[in-house]
This record gives sequence, structure tokens and C-alpha cells, in this order.
Amino acid sequence: AQSVTQPDIHITVSEGASLELRCNYSYGATPYLFWYVQSPGQGLQLLLKYFSGDTLVQGIKGFEAEFKRSQSSFNLRKPSVHWSDAAEYFCAVAAGGSGGGADGLTFGKGTHLIIQP
Amino acid sequence: EAGVTQFPSHSVIEKGQTVTLRCDPISGHDNLYWYRRVMGKEIKFLLHFVKESKQDESGMPNNRFLAERTGGTYSTLKVQPAELEDSGVYFCASSQVSFADEQFFGPGTRLTVL
Repeated sequence: AQSVTQPDIHITVSEGASLELRCNYSYGATPYLFWYVQSPGQGLQLLLKYFSGDTLVQGIKGFEAEFKRSQSSFNLRKPSVHWSDAAEYFCAVAAGGSGGGADGLTFGKGTHLIIQP
Repeated sequence: EAGVTQFPSHSVIEKGQTVTLRCDPISGHDNLYWYRRVMGKEIKFLLHFVKESKQDESGMPNNRFLAERTGGTYSTLKVQPAELEDSGVYFCASSQVSFADEQFFGPGTRLTVL
């Protein structure tokens, strides 16, 4: 069965500094990978997704992620964080369809991003 | 365009009682998903509807949970009788195309079972 690991439960970054959130997945076939963000009181919002092609994916709000098959990773990056980026971030993999498994997304446990002024 | 809505936003019930959660997906989205996040754990898939049909309910924890989607529009998730371990946040999501399409999430219903 597929799984997603986000090794960092909390990350604190100064405003204006760069950010990298780690995500590792376990899945036998080509994964469909996602990053979602949840701000307090809101639903999850899709930041970006990777299906195939260019391994560097651009998303909304200035985020990008790089798919590295050799490392089974899909890390999320942002060159300069803003106070409004404080939220919880979730990496997820879709493994249904031809890949088998449940139809829904498999999520990591999430990473809380704290922004220091 | 309205997003995915869920009702209620919070529910506090006692063990043994029944609770019904409702989800209204984005209009025109045939695919509807339910997820649950228990405190300290990851968000877990419960089930998937395509229109009014259950496509995959492999994540439903036990037969105390019953999901329906009458007419392929809104969906309800009933927990009867509720147990302490059912506490958590229940998310609903919808998408136009199944599998690997963007899922749009609602704000969730926070269920507390005392």
C-alpha cells in the first residue's frame, strides 16, 4: 500500500527566508503527487500537483515542488516566505485507477509552518 | 461559484448518540469523497461516490458509519451509535473527474464525542 511521510511536524522560518518542506512517498507505480495547504478555519487548498513530464512543478502563491524518483521525494519550496504562508501543509499521493489501491488521496501527517517576524 | 460546503461546522454529542454530517459538493462535480482526521493523525480516506453510487468504501472504519448520496447531489455521513474514537474532523471533497483530478475540499465538520 502507498504511504506518505512528512518528517517535520513543525517548521519555523523567518519572514523573507526560504522554505523547504519535505515529503517522501512509497508507491510501486508512477505516483500522482499533490501538495495542499490548510489555513485555520479553511478547507484544504491545492498548491500544486505532479502527474508526469517536467519534474519541477510550479504552483500558486509562489510555491514550487520537485519530483525526484530516485529519492522518492516531492519537496515543496518557496524562495521567500510571507507571514500569510503560516498554515499546515499536506503532501498527498493518489494511487487509485491503474495503480490500484483506494480511490482517495493518501496524506502525510502534515507540517505546521510557523513564520517568525 | 460556491465551494464545497459542510454542515454543521461543529458537533458535540455523547457516546451512543447519532450524528449526521452533510456535504454539498460543487455543482456539476460527480465525484464526492469523505475523509477523516483524528487528532494527531493523518487525514484518511473514507469513501468515494460517483454520482449516487459508492465507488470505493474501503476506508469506512466499521458498520456504524453510513454514507448516502441521494440523487447524486449532496451527501450525508451518519454515525450510529457514536463512539469516543469517532471524534475528529470530517472533510468532504469533490472533483469533476475521478482519480488524480484536483479535489476541492470543504472546511470540515469537527465532531466531538463525549
